[in-house]
Amino acid sequence: AQSVTQLDSQVPVFEEAPVELRCNYSSSVSVYLFWYVQYPNQGLQLLLKYLSGSTLVESINGFEAEFNKSQTSFHLRKPSVHISDTAEYFCAVSEGGNQFYFGTGTSLTVIP
Amino acid sequence: DVKVTQSSRYLVKRTGEKVFLECVQDMDHENMFWYRQDPGLGLRLIYFSYDVKMKEKGDIPEGYSVSREKKERFSLILESASTNQTSMYLCASSFSRGQFFGPGTRLTVL
Repeated sequence: AQSVTQLDSQVPVFEEAPVELRCNYSSSVSVYLFWYVQYPNQGLQLLLKYLSGSTLVESINGFEAEFNKSQTSFHLRKPSVHISDTAEYFCAVSEGGNQFYFGTGTSLTVIP
Repeated sequence: DVKVTQSSRYLVKRTGEKVFLECVQDMDHENMFWYRQDPGLGLRLIYFSYDVKMKEKGDIPEGYSVSREKKERFSLILESASTNQTSMYLCASSFSRGQFFGPGTRLTVL
């Protein structure tokens, strides 16, 4: 089974500053990679995903993540955060699209 | 858009009660999942199902059972609720390229 590590449980950042949320996974076999966002009292929403092709994937609200196979990482970045980005972020890995393995989450707090 | 709905957003039950959590998806997905989410522990898989009447145990199945009589509906059952089952319960469905989540049910067992 996969193991997904999100090293930072809480990340405070000032508004308009850049942010990076880190995600590492355990296996080097072919995987699908995902980032989900969860706003308070809501379910998880898919933010972006890597299935194949370009290692850099982007979301519609300015986030991007880069798949690094050699380092088994899929870090999430945004060059300038907004207050509305305050949420919990989960990294997830799937080997075949059936079972999904989640990290423990990173709470991003954007400070005005 | 895929829609996954859960029968209740908030639920309060007493210890020993039988609890049913319902989940319905409208995209004809074969795979459905039940997770519980607790602070600091992330999402933990309780049960999943690949097809009607098929179920597989996840990481923490103890104290839970599931039912999938129709493709669109996946139910989680707490046979005798206990206080340590107080949690947020999330249902998800998937095709092969990602999971779609319901809004969650916050269950409190008193």
